[in-house]
Amino acid sequence: NAGVTQTPKFQVLKTGQSMTLQCAQDMNHEYMSWYRQDPGMGLRLIHYSVGAGITDQGEVPNGYNVSRSTTEDFPLRLLSAAPSQTSVYFCASRDGTHSYFGPGTRLTVT
Amino acid sequence: KNEVEQSPQNLTAQEGEFITINCSYSVGISALHWLQQHPGGGIVSLFMLSSGKKKHGRLIATINIQEKHSSLHITASHPRDSAVYICAVPNTGNQFYFGTGTSLTVIP
Repeated sequence: NAGVTQTPKFQVLKTGQSMTLQCAQDMNHEYMSWYRQDPGMGLRLIHYSVGAGITDQGEVPNGYNVSRSTTEDFPLRLLSAAPSQTSVYFCASRDGTHSYFGPGTRLTVT
Repeated sequence: KNEVEQSPQNLTAQEGEFITINCSYSVGISALHWLQQHPGGGIVSLFMLSSGKKKHGRLIATINIQEKHSSLHITASHPRDSAVYICAVPNTGNQFYFGTGTSLTVIP
């Protein structure tokens, strides 16, 4: 199993640009989520999904969209990047026992 | 107010020392998770526990549901244990409350 994969690992955007962070898992987990991690603030939930076709907002959803057309994929879209979205983004999936995190995407918005 | 509080924020230990990291939470939970984030950034789930104690190698996690407190212990610490350890508790929905982490450095 590849586990949870994320692309890209690094990205630099200009303010106003849009992009999609890709996330995929091959463990057939229903639950997937996106977090951002900022210094001194810990992980914060952006959006999550409990299965294909079902998504919901987390703690900090503004400026981000998600969709879940398949069990495997859960892309995160930045609609119009802002410097405040400079962060490290983690995708995760979960079974009944453990959470599995992707390697992270370091995003810088200038 | 943070639903999850960890202490200490930073911890430096000599190799071989016994280490304890504490987590207190204010919400009712069904289980608590301990995560490890290595200097390279990757996050690994160490434990999920809902009662008592779990052990994996040199790592031991305990939880006291009544006192809303959990501890992560590392016996015979080693420099490769250097990482950020994060406590997380689920809320009644499908979300987690995360502690801000304890940064551990083990010196040879």
